[in-house]
Amino acid sequence: EPEVTQTPSHQVTQMGQEVILRCVPISNHLYFYWYRQILGQKVEFLVSFYNNEISEKSEIFDDQFSVERPDGSNFTLKIRSTKLEDSAMYFCASSDRQGREKLFFGSGTQLSVL
Amino acid sequence: GNSVTQMEGPVTLSEEAFLTINCTYTATGYPSLFWYVQYPGEGLQLLLKATKADDKGSNKGFEATYRKETTSFHLEKGSVQVSDSAVYFCALDDRGSTLGRLYFGRGTQLTVWP
Repeated sequence: EPEVTQTPSHQVTQMGQEVILRCVPISNHLYFYWYRQILGQKVEFLVSFYNNEISEKSEIFDDQFSVERPDGSNFTLKIRSTKLEDSAMYFCASSDRQGREKLFFGSGTQLSVL
Repeated sequence: GNSVTQMEGPVTLSEEAFLTINCTYTATGYPSLFWYVQYPGEGLQLLLKATKADDKGSNKGFEATYRKETTSFHLEKGSVQVSDSAVYFCALDDRGSTLGRLYFGRGTQLTVWP
């Protein structure tokens, strides 16, 4: 079965640094998402992306966050100036026209902000 | 608002034991309900779903019934295997919102011993 690929699997950064988390969604999918899970908490929606623009974002997704699909295959999440509380597992997901019926998730990037 | 409350883990069972993982939800509309599973080192995968009241989702021996009267979607399996060891996530999709936004629970870690 096709899969969503995320890199790196682990990222360690210093507070205040910029990080870019990378995702390669399934090739014929049209809708892209980022979720995150802080240790011990719920998996939380960050943002959805369709037709080269943000469809919806949560209250977590503030000005420090941005997403981009730079080349038609990659889908990135940038955090401009990381905070300690950004430490979490970040999941990328994609779906086809059926959208909500089935999301395909990557295995996640564990971000640790020191 | 929308939220999912999942049974606290971890859950440890012997092979062939009966499994129940409780999930209750709060939703503003008429949600679809999902169980996702995450095996070690992999992304979240859709295990089963139900889109309306009294629907039963099933897959790989797992079942869950959409109970509107009790706002529940408990996951069950009659005889677990070692290979079922994973983290299980209950989720809802409020179809009134932008497609693809899921509300997850915290996840329940299941470990099955031989």
